[in-house]
Amino acid sequence: QQQVKQSPQSLIVQKGGISIINCAYENTAFDYFPWYQQFPGKGPALLIAIRPDVSEKKEGRFTISFNKSAKQFSLHIMDSQPGDSATYFCAASVQGGSEKLVFGKGTKLTVNP
Amino acid sequence: DVKVTQSSRYLVKRTGEKVFLECVQDMDHENMFWYRQDPGLGLRLIYFSYDVKMKEKGDIPEGYSVSREKKERFSLILESASTNQTSMYLCASTKTGQGSNQPQHFGDGTRLSIL
Repeated sequence: QQQVKQSPQSLIVQKGGISIINCAYENTAFDYFPWYQQFPGKGPALLIAIRPDVSEKKEGRFTISFNKSAKQFSLHIMDSQPGDSATYFCAASVQGGSEKLVFGKGTKLTVNP
Repeated sequence: DVKVTQSSRYLVKRTGEKVFLECVQDMDHENMFWYRQDPGLGLRLIYFSYDVKMKEKGDIPEGYSVSREKKERFSLILESASTNQTSMYLCASTKTGQGSNQPQHFGDGTRLSIL
């Protein structure tokens, strides 16, 4: 079964710190790796995504690091803010497929002021 | 902005009832999805549809069916609701990628309680 394993399940960080969430996958056919952010009472929304032809993608304070040989990717949130407190999901899919995503189980991030 | 609207935010039903959850998107997306979200289990795909009247089973289709009679509307049906179907249900839609993946756009969910 296709799986994406995400850790940790929950994370508490102080304001200004770095939040790191890790994901690992087995299916080598995966070639698209998005991260979704979900605030309480809302549906998930795309935050940032990467393809395996690059090792890192940065958008503002959010960075995805990708290690193709290890089949791992991670989300780094620099200078974490209380407004970043949310649940984060990593996901993976096959390009040109049915747009179906396989999601990790999520990480609840709490950033303390 | 893409808008995915789920008909109810909260719903309470009784065991054995037939339950309909409705989802409408306004961006002419080909693909629509139904997920359930449970603490510690993440998002699990129930069914998806890539065209009108087309459907495919996801990872946990048992006890559910779907209907897509119009492109903008995707309905999830609980044929005979059971307490283990108490959950948050999320609908999503996305355009067909034409060689590149497109983001999924989610509704805000329906919290369904089966008593």
